[in-house]
Amino acid sequence: GESVGLHLPTLSVQEGDNSIINCAYSNSASDYFIWYKQESGKGPQFIIDIRSNMDKRQGQRVTVLLNKTVKHLSLQIAATQPGDSAVYFCAENIAGNTPLVFGKGTRLSVIA
Amino acid sequence: EAQVTQNPRYLITVTGKKLTVTCSQNMNHEYMSWYRQDPGLGLRQIYYSMNVEVTDKGDVPEGYKVSRKEKRNFPLILESPSPNQTSLYFCASSPYFRGSTRDEKLFFGSGTQLSVL
Repeated sequence: GESVGLHLPTLSVQEGDNSIINCAYSNSASDYFIWYKQESGKGPQFIIDIRSNMDKRQGQRVTVLLNKTVKHLSLQIAATQPGDSAVYFCAENIAGNTPLVFGKGTRLSVIA
Repeated sequence: EAQVTQNPRYLITVTGKKLTVTCSQNMNHEYMSWYRQDPGLGLRQIYYSMNVEVTDKGDVPEGYKVSRKEKRNFPLILESPSPNQTSLYFCASSPYFRGSTRDEKLFFGSGTQLSVL
């Protein structure tokens, strides 16, 4: 619910603009990464994933970029809409071996 | 509709009173998992199950039990709840297959807000 969003970094974006949400991951051995979206009062929802043999992957209005050199992951949302307002989590793991490790999340607020 | 269903949605209980949170998925997924979500700590895994009758501890298993007697169901049991188990709980499932990562494309339930007084 709403309480898990307390004290999160917040990104405010004007409707129609592009959003970029960043994530620094911790384990250089991680080879699988996912972005989740969590709307208020709901469970996390899968957005897009990427494996370490890629540096970019595109979905519908979303793009994930992976920079393994600096252990950085980003989620780009094109033409941000009010329905994109949510908390976004990145997660990482090592294929087949370890559970997902979730980041703390970033709250995206879309200004109409 | 493909979904993960948790019940109840909200639960208030008292210390020491055993409770069970049910989880069911209708997608024939092999892998199921329980998480708790706390402010400032994000999502942490409690237990997971790779298939029927196979369960393993996650990062924070203390005070919890699970069972996987059927593929579709994965209940979370708190034998003697304590106030530090007050949290938002999520069940999740995924179609684990050879060569994939076991948490790939997790589908989450809507959550169970538990308060232990």
